Amino acid sequence: DSGVTQTPKHLITATGQRVTLRCSPRSGDLSVYWYQQSLDQGLQFLIQYYNGEERAKGNILERFSAQQFPDLHSELNLSSLELGDSALYFCASSLRGAQGRGNTIYFGEGSWLTVV
Amino acid sequence: GQSLEQPSEVTAVEGAIVQINCTYQTSGFYGLSWYQQHDGGAPTFLSYNALDGLEETGRFSSFLSRSDSYGYLLLQELQMKDSASYFCAVKAAGNKLTFGGGTRVLVKP
Repeated sequence: DSGVTQTPKHLITATGQRVTLRCSPRSGDLSVYWYQQSLDQGLQFLIQYYNGEERAKGNILERFSAQQFPDLHSELNLSSLELGDSALYFCASSLRGAQGRGNTIYFGEGSWLTVV
Repeated sequence: GQSLEQPSEVTAVEGAIVQINCTYQTSGFYGLSWYQQHDGGAPTFLSYNALDGLEETGRFSSFLSRSDSYGYLLLQELQMKDSASYFCAVKAAGNKLTFGGGTRVLVKP
């Protein structure tokens, strides 16, 4: 158990709908990262927040948005869902904002999103 | 942008040694990480190299050559539980951790 909690674990929704994925980082971690992993694909970095502020942005679609709240939990909002958005969405956290030695990133178990 | 290349799949028998190579192209390179992911599970951190050379952690070792933009993960004394996908990842400018496509390692008895 990494200490990163994601909910829901599984979600099935229809095209055009909107969903919110929630992440609670490890106790004490200030950084939260969101990744998307499609079937047989690698991990695509979406966005990173550090202590409530956006720190880095990856290949996140305009239909997607995220935020980190004062209690450091984070939400990833996915709207106008398409079939291609079906994927495993990982949240990860780390103590500091800079990735590297001494700042290991810990992943949650992921939220499986199926768009039908 | 960043790009990483690693083999898609490797098969080996228990007790063998497997080397997973990773070549990368990136701007502002800071370090190379390796993660393990079992099917349906979360990626877990294995190692991080910021400087050239070999880092050893038990049965796993990781190597980096910054001049060659190349690194590898060495899995020794393979066990069935080592069957998983292994991802290399680079930390580069913009504080983004970019992952390779992953190498699926299949360990056979």
